[in-house]
Amino acid sequence: AQKVTQAQTEISVVEKEDVTLDCVYETRDTTYYLFWYKQPPSGELVFLIRRNSFDEQNEISGRYSWNFQKSTSSFNFTITASQVVDSAVYFCALSEGWWGGSEKLVFGKGTKLTVNP
Amino acid sequence: DSGVTQTPKHLITATGQRVTLRCSPRSGDLSVYWYQQSLDQGLQFLIHYYNGEERAKGNILERFSAQQFPDLHSELNLSSLELGDSALYFCASSLGDNSPLHFGNGTRLTVT
Repeated sequence: AQKVTQAQTEISVVEKEDVTLDCVYETRDTTYYLFWYKQPPSGELVFLIRRNSFDEQNEISGRYSWNFQKSTSSFNFTITASQVVDSAVYFCALSEGWWGGSEKLVFGKGTKLTVNP
Repeated sequence: DSGVTQTPKHLITATGQRVTLRCSPRSGDLSVYWYQQSLDQGLQFLIHYYNGEERAKGNILERFSAQQFPDLHSELNLSSLELGDSALYFCASSLGDNSPLHFGNGTRLTVT
């Protein structure tokens, strides 16, 4: 069965610090997709990134970067030079592909990040 | 703005009642998903519709039902409400083929 574990429940940092959010997943499939979503205090879920299981290249988008390692079943998210506006709950999610006709997501429990000024 | 519209934003109702949550997907998206977010269960998949047809069911109670209409909007019906149904209900839409899900702002349901 699919499972996503975000072991860090809460993280607190001071502005400009770098912070890494951990995500470990379990799946029996060879084809799957990994996602990160952000939920700011206002409550909406904002899509950040999707990565498929065949693409292990790391990705950088501005201050955000993602490290995908199949060998350790991890898909970690790093925010460089954190800002107060980064304060949110971050969710990692897994989808096992389209084979069943549905790309439903399995979410981790989330990591609450607080960036203090 | 994700382009997914959910109404109403907030809903307060009593136990035993029935409510309907509405979702309009992004233009062009054929897939609609419903998720429930509660403090104890986290984000849980409820149901998926694709172009009017049910594609997958998750942890959806028998008291809950959904449908997707020809214009692709979707409704989630919750009946015989219990205190434990209080949660944030999200609708998401996607093009399909493992495109990212784009979520609406959610409907916060409070059952008193």
